[in-house]
Amino acid sequence: TQLLEQSPQFLSIQEGENLTVYCNSSSVFSSLQWYRQEPGEGPVLLVTVVTGGEVKKLKRLTFQFGDARKDSSLHITAAQPGDTGLYLCAGARHGNKLVFGAGTILRVKS
Amino acid sequence: KAGVTQTPRYLIKTRGQQVTLSCSPISGHRSVSWYQQTPGQGLQFLFEYFSETQRNKGNFPGRFSGRQFSNSRSEMNVSTLELGDSALYLCASSLGGASSYEQYFGPGTRLTVT
Repeated sequence: TQLLEQSPQFLSIQEGENLTVYCNSSSVFSSLQWYRQEPGEGPVLLVTVVTGGEVKKLKRLTFQFGDARKDSSLHITAAQPGDTGLYLCAGARHGNKLVFGAGTILRVKS
Repeated sequence: KAGVTQTPRYLIKTRGQQVTLSCSPISGHRSVSWYQQTPGQGLQFLFEYFSETQRNKGNFPGRFSGRQFSNSRSEMNVSTLELGDSALYLCASSLGGASSYEQYFGPGTRLTVT
């Protein structure tokens, strides 16, 4: 069983639509990170959230950390084809050891 | 500042052979972590090295080992390769402090075992 459950597993939408990806756990994390990975490349860090209830915005991307620090969401407004990729959430526990969710594959069609 | 580099990018081996993968972290980063990524299992943590010592370890068999050098560069070795070891192996570096969770990934080494 995954310590971090991501949903949906796959999302295919039209350019301009909004979407939300969820990352849930029964465990508390010290911090939670979101990464985006393109085919043939390593994951690229998008954001780190640390405080329960924290909201961070990165252009059209909005990240939220749950009040209890067990869950997080990533909302993309007006998705573009360049947003296509694998989105991974990762929770930090026991120092530098990260636990990753299985990922959400996003495809944005033009 | 240069990113994390991994060599080689692609590798084809046969069952029973061994392989060594290399990772050079971002300058100033003292922690190097290794991950295995497969379509079925996602990203699985292998181990982390900090100041030449293994600090964390995932649930992989002893065939998977690693080491870190004094310049923070790291190598990962897999002995007696199995078909199931085919995967993208990712290295990530971080500053390594107690609260430095942010990791920066290299492009990975695609290992194919035939």
